[in-house]
Amino acid sequence: AQTVTQSQPEMSVQEAETVTLSCTYDTSESNYYLFWYKQPPSRQMILVIRQEAYKQQNATENRFSVNFQKAAKSFSLKISDSQLGDTAMYFCAFINYGGSQGNLIFGKGTKLSVKP
Amino acid sequence: DTGVSQNPRHKITKRGQNVTFRCDPISEHNRLYWYRQTLGQGPEFLTYFQNEAQLEKSRLLSDRFSAERPKGSFSTLEIQRTEQGDSAMYLCASSPQSEKLFFGSGTQLSVL
Repeated sequence: AQTVTQSQPEMSVQEAETVTLSCTYDTSESNYYLFWYKQPPSRQMILVIRQEAYKQQNATENRFSVNFQKAAKSFSLKISDSQLGDTAMYFCAFINYGGSQGNLIFGKGTKLSVKP
Repeated sequence: DTGVSQNPRHKITKRGQNVTFRCDPISEHNRLYWYRQTLGQGPEFLTYFQNEAQLEKSRLLSDRFSAERPKGSFSTLEIQRTEQGDSAMYLCASSPQSEKLFFGSGTQLSVL
């Protein structure tokens, strides 16, 4: 079975500090994409960052970066210089490349609170 | 690019009633997805379309659920004989033949 596990239901961080959210996944496929989505109280799912599994280089998007460890099936998100607007639910997800691309699989999420 | 639009934003219904939700994808996106999200959980895949063809359905999609995408544009998701367990946020997403999904704001269904 393909699964995504986020072991931290809730986390908090002080404004301007750095926080890392954990994610592990399980798939037998070798080609896939990994994502972190942010869901603020408005409930709109917003793509934060994306990583292609065939790329060894970790993706970065401004203050957001990932640590992708393919052998360990680990995909953590680091948020630097945390801002109050980063407060949201964060979901880790993956989708297989090719084949059944409809099946974007999400973890249960981590609730991040950024404190002033 | 006006984004993925979902209507209504909220729907309250009584158990046993039928409800229908609409999703308008980003124009020229040929893939359209439906997900369900309950409180405290991540979204769960329900079904997806490539143009007007429904290519995959999850086991979560019982016989009371039906989705359509006539002419490959907007999509509707109908739930017949609603049950309290159907209460959830129903999310729609579209994609331009790639792995990047763009989500709408969802329809929150409450079944009393």
